[in-house]
Amino acid sequence: GNSVTQMEGPVTLSEEAFLTINCTYTATGYPSLFWYVQYPGEGLQLLLKATKADDKGSNKGFEATYRKETTSFHLEKGSVQVSDSAVYFCALNRGSTLGRLYFGRGTQLTVWP
Amino acid sequence: NAGVTQTPKFQVLKTGQSMTLQCAQDMNHEYMSWYRQDPGMGLRLIHYSVGAGITDQGEVPNGYNVSRSTTEDFPLRLLLAAPSQTSVYFCASSPDFTGGVNEQFFGPGTRLTVL
Repeated sequence: GNSVTQMEGPVTLSEEAFLTINCTYTATGYPSLFWYVQYPGEGLQLLLKATKADDKGSNKGFEATYRKETTSFHLEKGSVQVSDSAVYFCALNRGSTLGRLYFGRGTQLTVWP
Repeated sequence: NAGVTQTPKFQVLKTGQSMTLQCAQDMNHEYMSWYRQDPGMGLRLIHYSVGAGITDQGEVPNGYNVSRSTTEDFPLRLLLAAPSQTSVYFCASSPDFTGGVNEQFFGPGTRLTVL
């Protein structure tokens, strides 16, 4: 079946530290991969996406590369800010599943000044 | 352009009561869905719709009903509320459900507590 595994949180970092949040997936065929972010009290927003192997998604200084050989889509940012504090969700979608997103459990990130 | 709106933001119910969570979008999206978010479990799909008059079950449909009479609205009904339905509920919409690569737009959520 389809599933997403994210690293357990919470993650606590100082401002300007390097961030990695690991994400691996299980899926048949060729899924599209996403990172969504949820700021406190808000709904989820798309952060970045990649639709095929070796694609790199990027946005707001965050990056993730679709690695088919390791079935991974790790999220990275070189220098985090306090405003990046949020919950991050890795997700996948396959066209055959009619738009359904399969989510990881989410990783809480807290950045201290 | 308001995007995806949900009402109410918060709700407390007693076991056995019923209620409807409202969801509306003004982007003319065909695809709409309902997820529930529980601590440590990510989001799980309850029901979805690929257009007016068409709905189907997701991963956790028991205890919930949906209908889609218009493109804009996709209400979620709890028939006999149970404490296990205490959760945060998110509605989402997307312009296309076939390719799987389009962004889904989420509402701000409804936090429901069932006592």
